[in-house]
Amino acid sequence: QSALTQPPSASGSPGQSVTISCTGTSSDVGGYNYVSWYQQHPGKAPKLMIYEVSERPSGVPDRFSGSKSGNTASLTVSGLQAEDEADYYCMSYAGGNTVIFGGGTKLTVL
Amino acid sequence: QVQLQESGPGLVKPSETLSLTCTVSGGSISNYYWSWVRQPPGKGLEWIGYIYYSGSANYNPSLKSRVTLSVDTSKNQFSLKLTSVTAADTAVYYCARERAAAWFDPWGQGTLVTVSS
Repeated sequence: QSALTQPPSASGSPGQSVTISCTGTSSDVGGYNYVSWYQQHPGKAPKLMIYEVSERPSGVPDRFSGSKSGNTASLTVSGLQAEDEADYYCMSYAGGNTVIFGGGTKLTVL
Repeated sequence: QVQLQESGPGLVKPSETLSLTCTVSGGSISNYYWSWVRQPPGKGLEWIGYIYYSGSANYNPSLKSRVTLSVDTSKNQFSLKLTSVTAADTAVYYCARERAAAWFDPWGQGTLVTVSS
């Protein structure tokens, strides 16, 4: 199992939109609609932001949205706010009752 | 609401066994999957494995030979044992509830385990 591929960094100005990609294979991202996204602020535990590709848990702002095309999933943050600055990780079901994470993307709000 | 709390030694010697427990409060451990995830300092997240409340478990293939998960429904706890640890096992270890075998929510606050003599 190799980690899903995410860009190491992304950035945007307040109010702008930014999209973070998560590329896998047909054995994980492309094979199942079980991609989730997590936000992690420094020194804190990860927080679920998106599950099942595009579903948003209660309490997560609708500025966060998810999608998938083929072997690549994406997280879009619209209307960037200062508190969105954090690390973001994708995760996918990978068959055989296993899951795999992406390497993480550091989002900077300029 | 369900809350998770990790506990265990913060320092383990090389070649020894790392043991952690996660206590679930605010809800029952029954009818759910429960996972362990770790994060080496400054690095990304790595899934270790998950266990169903009934005791059946699945592991990350890269760690499978060294990991054992167990569950104690009477105490609302589940546990992790990682044998033959090295410095590479130094990490913050998180426990989490797994949903549909596909996403984690909520997470514990994490506990740092350092492997050093």
